[in-house]
Amino acid sequence: DAGITQSPRHKVTETGTPVTLRCHQTENHRYMYWYRQDPGHGLRLIHYSYGVKDTDKGEVSDGYSVSRSKTEDFLLTLESATSSQTSVYFCAISEGEGSYNEQFFGPGTRLTVL
Amino acid sequence: GQNIDQPTEMTATEGAIVQINCTYQTSGFNGLFWYQQHAGEAPTFLSYNVLDGLEEKGRFSSFLSRSKGYSYLLLKELQMKDSASYLCAATDSNYQLIWGAGTKLIIKP
Repeated sequence: DAGITQSPRHKVTETGTPVTLRCHQTENHRYMYWYRQDPGHGLRLIHYSYGVKDTDKGEVSDGYSVSRSKTEDFLLTLESATSSQTSVYFCAISEGEGSYNEQFFGPGTRLTVL
Repeated sequence: GQNIDQPTEMTATEGAIVQINCTYQTSGFNGLFWYQQHAGEAPTFLSYNVLDGLEEKGRFSSFLSRSKGYSYLLLKELQMKDSASYLCAATDSNYQLIWGAGTKLIIKP
């Protein structure tokens, strides 16, 4: 299995508080992704990174920011959490560009915003 | 617009064959992925089709028709452990993946 971990695995927070989710990989893969998964929807891309300090927005980036200061870590921040951000968040990595290459997913973080 | 459609839920019997269909409409199409996701777990890669035709990998096969915007995943000799959601994803014009909502496959003894 690809070495990819997410922390925390579960989090309950209140509306308006900042939240940071961490994704850590040991595979030295260039590409990293943050997705959210909600019932009735497919995985939706929030942000992705194609190298250290190189990030770009995905389909549903509003209300989220990311940072990648090291190859192995990709952080997702909700500056001021809202109830609509209650979701399961998956981090994924790929060796090459994700639309051509297999993505390996972390175990997910279940976030509840009250 | 860009869209991926697949059935919400399917039921099949252990030992049988099931076909899960996926239709897509994306600009800049470069390939189609199938992933498996067991309840409460992360998706895992099953297959990637770029060219038209059938690709077989053990009990699982995946088919693509680019002209029809259509793919299917064929599962043979179904086992109880195949109970999972199957996610279809196609490339969009920004070279990112557009994901379907997934097909929940229920296997009955």
